[in-house]
Amino acid sequence: NAGVTQTPKFQVLKTGQSMTLQCAQDMNHNSMYWYRQDPGMGLRLIYYSASEGTTDKGEVPNGYNVSRLNKREFSLRLESAAPSQTSVYFCASSEVPAGGHETQYFGPGTRLLVL
Amino acid sequence: QKEVEQNSGPLSVPEGAIASLNCTYSDRGSQSFFWYRQYSGKSPELIMSIYSNGDKEDGRFTAQLNKASQYVSLLIRDSQPSDSATYLCAVRNPGGYNKLIFGAGTRLAVHP
Repeated sequence: NAGVTQTPKFQVLKTGQSMTLQCAQDMNHNSMYWYRQDPGMGLRLIYYSASEGTTDKGEVPNGYNVSRLNKREFSLRLESAAPSQTSVYFCASSEVPAGGHETQYFGPGTRLLVL
Repeated sequence: QKEVEQNSGPLSVPEGAIASLNCTYSDRGSQSFFWYRQYSGKSPELIMSIYSNGDKEDGRFTAQLNKASQYVSLLIRDSQPSDSATYLCAVRNPGGYNKLIFGAGTRLAVHP
């Protein structure tokens, strides 16, 4: 049981290049999330998916697109990378256990540098 | 005003002491509150959650919630060097999709 996995771990892009960050979870969770973390800013939600087939914008969606490929996988795409997108990107998934409260579990992160 | 505010620190405490981490939030409708621990270069890890006023204890950790004052805190008793990390406060707002709002985190340093 790997939990939440992300690829790649590190990436360097030039301005204008595109790339896709991959995320997968094996916990059968319905909800998945993409966050970015910048120094002094905490975690900010980019996009989320409440269930397979649905996606919605979070706090900072500009410059990103997402795809919920199936229940396990949720990818984040940068179509034309900008230096302002240099950040650490975390994917998370969550469940609401019977009679309980939602808990989010985070992947190991992708460190992205845009030159 | 930020929705979730934390002192960035660093908060420096000696080994064995009590570390007190504080968090305030702006939305009175918030219902769920979480503390995540994040080691340098690693992902956040949930350590405590609290949903009602009062104290909740789990081992060396105690979360305290005061909804009237819009204040949540985390106490770490018998602090160890392994507790040195950044502690993120997160609040779930009831509106929309129940998103988590994170504070910027407080860096804790426990010195021997």
